Amino acid sequence: DTEVTQTPKHLVMGMTNKKSLKCEQHMGHRAMYWYKQKAKKPPELMFVYSYEKLSINESVPSRFSPECPNSSLLNLHLHALQPEDSALYLCASSQGGSGGAGETQYFGPGTRLLVL
Amino acid sequence: QKEVEQNSGPLSVPEGAIASLNCTYSDRVSQSFFWYRQYSGKSPELIMSIYSNGDKEDGRFTAQLNKASQYVSLLIRDSQPSDSATYLCAVSGGYNKLIFGAGTRLAVHP
Repeated sequence: DTEVTQTPKHLVMGMTNKKSLKCEQHMGHRAMYWYKQKAKKPPELMFVYSYEKLSINESVPSRFSPECPNSSLLNLHLHALQPEDSALYLCASSQGGSGGAGETQYFGPGTRLLVL
Repeated sequence: QKEVEQNSGPLSVPEGAIASLNCTYSDRVSQSFFWYRQYSGKSPELIMSIYSNGDKEDGRFTAQLNKASQYVSLLIRDSQPSDSATYLCAVSGGYNKLIFGAGTRLAVHP
């Protein structure tokens, strides 16, 4: 089973709202990722958690706040977003045991976010 | 700056033909290579991974890796309209990172 689940599937929010995206995997993976994907572009890495600790932050604005409550869950808290933040937000996971070099990443179905 | 290059396409092939998708990468020390398929509005789905020089076959898909020339390719035999999608090449870029190409859009016409 290589399933990563994400909720909600769709989200519409105003620029003053606070919302959260949720990601879950039960594959025993120890590395989890957040990506942002705009139309006709490849996924763009935002954050990496390894063994529940933030290991990579790709200079993401502070209006995006990741959280990893346990090894199966990954959240992305959103606050004061801009219309240009509208995109498909993808969660992925990988085994996380080899130092990360070239592990297969499995993607969830994504959350399509629209910021008005 | 580590880069992965793909022709954006669209690559148009008739049903039943072989589709050939190519990818070049800049980082000589990359060790792992992946092909993902992404249908419009959906998330990337892993098709193949390859780590050693040569060919790796899985059903109608064959991945080819040439580290000396720094290219990786994906062949799709007996292409079907359901193969129409964007194919993303991804290369390991260091700790927990994948570097994605821009993707090649494949259109298989009946």
